[in-house]
Order: sequence, then structure tokens, then C-alpha cells
Amino acid sequence: ETGVTQTPRHLVMGMTNKKSLKCEQHLGHNAMYWYKQSAKKPLELMFVYNFKEQTENNSVPSRFSPECPNSSHLFLHLHTLQPEDSALYLCASSQEGRTYNEQFFGPGTRLTVL
Amino acid sequence: AQTVTQSQPEMSVQEAETVTLSCTYDTSESDYYLFWYKQPPSRQMILVIRQEAYKQQNATENRFSVNFQKAAKSFSLKISDSQLGDAAMYFCAYENFGNEKLTFGTGTRLTIIP
Repeated sequence: ETGVTQTPRHLVMGMTNKKSLKCEQHLGHNAMYWYKQSAKKPLELMFVYNFKEQTENNSVPSRFSPECPNSSHLFLHLHTLQPEDSALYLCASSQEGRTYNEQFFGPGTRLTVL
Repeated sequence: AQTVTQSQPEMSVQEAETVTLSCTYDTSESDYYLFWYKQPPSRQMILVIRQEAYKQQNATENRFSVNFQKAAKSFSLKISDSQLGDAAMYFCAYENFGNEKLTFGTGTRLTIIP
């Protein structure tokens, strides 16, 4: 595997389910990100992890719970979601400390909440 | 807070022709970076081109070039000799120098007409 991978690619869940999204980066980066992509809206940054420490939480509802066990893996735990949470969830990674922050994205997980 | 505006939700261009995608941004900073990202239908977003605000020279990457107008806070992307593989969503993004957070626009969907 190369780059940034995400599983599953598609997920359908009910409002009472609990599920997790997984992201893995094979680039040796030290920062990882979760974004929410909804139609006709800018990408919304949800969480940022630097060296496994969460450095950003953009007022995301508590029904989204991130976990970063090491610098290569990032999870997004989901529980009691709402239909408006249906979106494409993108994971990205970068090497912070460089001059500019080029982020490398995964293919995303298309989430549908029924 | 910085904002990025892409006023063209959709654009189309004939194959082999040239197309320009618009982007404006709002910031009070003087040092920053600007990016164009491409998201093909397979959804893995990739960096197309970047521009450092302190550089007057417009960035160029093969068929992709930018027109960076710092005073006007404008950052357009020109694609020359358009190819079918250029069909994608294009996102303009902004990064404050030293901040390492990206602010994205809403995207422009580019269609290539054979």
C-alpha cells in the first residue's frame, strides 16, 4: 500500500449504530487530519493530530470521536449520528515543520446515515 | 479568519483548449501559501500547484499555471491544452505561513468536452 488509505470506502449506518472509519498513511508523515466534505460546501476541517496529539478540534459534535494510536493510523469513531452527517469523510496526512503544508489525501469514506 | 471563494461551481472546456478557474481569498496576512488541489471522480485529492505569496513570479507546472494577483487577492488557475484526464473538482486552498492549516473554497467542477 502506498500513500493514504481509508477503509471502508462506503458505509451505510442507522442512527443508533456505532461504526469506525480507519485511515492509514504510508508516507512517514507526522500529522494527520479528518475532513468532512459535503456538496457545495468547503472542506470542513474536523480534527488535526500532530505526533499523535490532538491539536485541533473544530467544534465537532461529540458523536464524532477521533483516535490516533500512532503517527500512521487515525480512526474516527461514530455513534448516534444524524442524517445531516452523511458526507464524504477524507483523511489526510502531511509532514509538519516544512516550509509549506502539502497534504496528501486518502480516497475518502462515503458515509450515509439513514 | 481567512476565507476562500470560488465563484464558478461548474466550468466546461473543449479538449485541447485553455480554461481558467477563478479563486479569490480574504486575509490580513502578508505571508501565506496558495494551492490548487484536484479531486478526480475517484475522489483522491492531489496537489496541482502551489504559490508562495512572497514570490512575484507565477507558479507553473507543465500545462498548469497560475495568475497570482496579491493586491487583488486573486489566484486563478489556467489549464492549457485541456485533456480528458483533467476532468475533476478543483479546490483552491489557503495556508497562513507557519499555521499549517488549510482553508478550502467550495470547488469548481471542470468538465472536458471531447
